[in-house]
Amino acid sequence: GAVVSQHPSWVICKSGTSVKIECRSLDFQATTMFWYRQFPKQSLMLMATSNEGSKATYEQGVEKDKFLINHASLTLSTLTVTSAHPEDSSFYICSAPRVTRYEQYFGPGTRLTVT
Amino acid sequence: GENVEQHPSTLSVQEGDSAVIKCTYSDSASNYFPWYKQELGKRPQLIIDIRSNVGEKKDQRIAVTLNKTAKHFSLHITETQPEDSAVYFCAANLGGNQFYFGTGTSLTVIP
Repeated sequence: GAVVSQHPSWVICKSGTSVKIECRSLDFQATTMFWYRQFPKQSLMLMATSNEGSKATYEQGVEKDKFLINHASLTLSTLTVTSAHPEDSSFYICSAPRVTRYEQYFGPGTRLTVT
Repeated sequence: GENVEQHPSTLSVQEGDSAVIKCTYSDSASNYFPWYKQELGKRPQLIIDIRSNVGEKKDQRIAVTLNKTAKHFSLHITETQPEDSAVYFCAANLGGNQFYFGTGTSLTVIP
């Protein structure tokens, strides 16, 4: 089946630094990717929709200047958490539809810990 | 936008018993409803889905029912096993690529 990967799987950074998370579709092209944030024992909260060749669409309440998204190619989207703070610590998951909406594949997630 | 509610938030059942998780949605235009299973620290995995032109779908021990009039759909797991323990999410889709997720149900199957 289709595979979506994320890198890194776990990152610890100091407060004030920036962290980049990569989401790759390994065997299909994804013009759209989604970024979610998940707190422990909670649901996936959509942060933004990443669009190849154009600006990302952010959900209400998500700071676009803090969570920078770049969809550089048909197989890669990156999420950069700028000036990270401890409250940004969370599990970040990306997803991509393969061909149709019925084929939504999730990445394995990235656990971010900001100290 | 769509609003999906999921109940219960936690559910414990004895091994071999059935488990039922219910979701409601707000937008009658939603027409695709997948269910995902997520183990701790891992990615959500699609376990079953249903489209709005179908009322019920079954895959071995897992079934999903959809009531479009009432705007709710349910996941049924029969003969539960310890490996069914996980967090389950329902979702609704309006036709584009965006999915709206329920709040999740933490299922524990007691051996």
